[in-house]
Amino acid sequence: AQTVTQSQPEMSVQEAETVTLSCTYDTSESDYYLFWYKQPPSRQMILVIRQEAYKQQNATENRFSVNFQKAAKSFSLKISDSQLGDAAMYFCACGGSNYKLTFGKGTLLTVNP
Amino acid sequence: EADIYQTPRYLVIGTGKKITLECSQTMGHDKMYWYQQDPGMELHLIHYSYGVNSTEKGDLSSESTVSRIRTEHFPLTLESARPSHTSQYLCASRLRGNTEAFFGQGTRLTVV
Repeated sequence: AQTVTQSQPEMSVQEAETVTLSCTYDTSESDYYLFWYKQPPSRQMILVIRQEAYKQQNATENRFSVNFQKAAKSFSLKISDSQLGDAAMYFCACGGSNYKLTFGKGTLLTVNP
Repeated sequence: EADIYQTPRYLVIGTGKKITLECSQTMGHDKMYWYQQDPGMELHLIHYSYGVNSTEKGDLSSESTVSRIRTEHFPLTLESARPSHTSQYLCASRLRGNTEAFFGQGTRLTVV
C-alpha cells in the first residue's frame, strides 16, 4: 500500500516571506519518486518539483526547494520569497515503479499582499 | 507545456444520458490515469492503464468504464449519468518508469 499525508489543509503567507508545506508518505517500493504539484484555481495541475528517493541531495527549483528526510518518510516543500502567483492548491505525491501515483489531500496556500 | 488534452472542458447533461469524456496525449506515454476530484479538491484514482489493451480499476469505485485501444487515447464512459457523477475528472499520463505525470485541463461534469 502507498499513502501520502498532508496535515495542513490550509496555509497562508505574506508576500515575499517563506512558507513550508508538510508531507509524509509511506510506500513499500524501494525505488520511488516524490513530487509536489500545484493546481491554481480553475487551472491545470502542474509539476513544481520532483525528488528521486535514491538521491540524498534535496531538489531545488528556483524559489522552491524540498527537505527530504528518507528515514522519517518526510518530504516538505519550502517556498521562498512568496509571490501572489504562488497561491494555489499544492499536492504532494509518491510514485514508484508500479503504476500508482498517490496524492495527498492537498494544502491550500493563500498569499497575502 | 504538456501535450495532453481533455474534451469537453465543461459538460452539463441530463440524468440517464450516456457520456464519453475524451483524453488524448501526443507524448507516447504508456501509463494513463483518470482521477476524480471532489469539491474538497482531493484526487481519487478511478482508472489506470499500463498500455494498449490494459485497463484497471483504481482505488475509488466508479461506475464509469475506460478503454485503451490506442496509446494516445484513453476515453472514459458513463453509460447512464446520475447527479452523483457530478465532479471534476482529470486525465494524466506518465512515461515508463518513475517519472512525473502530466495532467490535462480537466472536464467539469454536471449531471442535472
